[in-house]
Amino acid sequence: SQQGEEDPQALSIQEGENATMNCSYKTSINNLQWYRQNSGRGLVHLILIRSNEREKHSGRLRVTLDTSKKSSSLLITASRAADTASYFCATDVSWGKLQFGAGTQVVVTP
Amino acid sequence: DTGVSQDPRHKITKRGQNVTFRCDPISEHNRLYWYRQTLGQGPEFLTYFQNEAQLEKSRLLSDRFSAERPKGSFSTLEIQRTEQGDSAMYLCASSSPRDSGNTIYFGEGSWLTVV
Repeated sequence: SQQGEEDPQALSIQEGENATMNCSYKTSINNLQWYRQNSGRGLVHLILIRSNEREKHSGRLRVTLDTSKKSSSLLITASRAADTASYFCATDVSWGKLQFGAGTQVVVTP
Repeated sequence: DTGVSQDPRHKITKRGQNVTFRCDPISEHNRLYWYRQTLGQGPEFLTYFQNEAQLEKSRLLSDRFSAERPKGSFSTLEIQRTEQGDSAMYLCASSSPRDSGNTIYFGEGSWLTVV
């Protein structure tokens, strides 16, 4: 069963715009990890945010976590065509067992 | 390349045949995971090793599936008597609890098509 749900399911934006996607989950977590997946490829790790953290940045990425609402968001600023991919949030509930949502498909057009 | 390595990347097999996938984790990662992903879905957990011990198996892992990690390094995932429903991408991942809060790194996956 999948714990997380990403919203929206699909997002289409133009280069230079910001992309925001949200993730909701159901149970307590140790951490939450965001991944990117290009079509037919493996998952690339983007950011890990611990349960006691509220915000993290990495380059053009910003992740927030609200454990009271059981939700997280990923913001990609100044998007590029190369950001076109599916983005997944994954909750780590114990010893690294991840539970994924169905992902958000992001298309960035030049 | 010191990432998670999987082999083969693609496998087409006839229904009823056995297939085996291999995973080489990142060096010194003591935790190794197998996941399965079907089109349009997120990955689903199959099983987890800490060193050579298999500590948890998902209900998704029927008795036709077996995973091993004999020396606590590489792992194999074998599917016996494959069925069309086994067609998916099989992802291996590894981690170390000492690495940035247990960041989990995935390989490129092994695509299985059962015809």
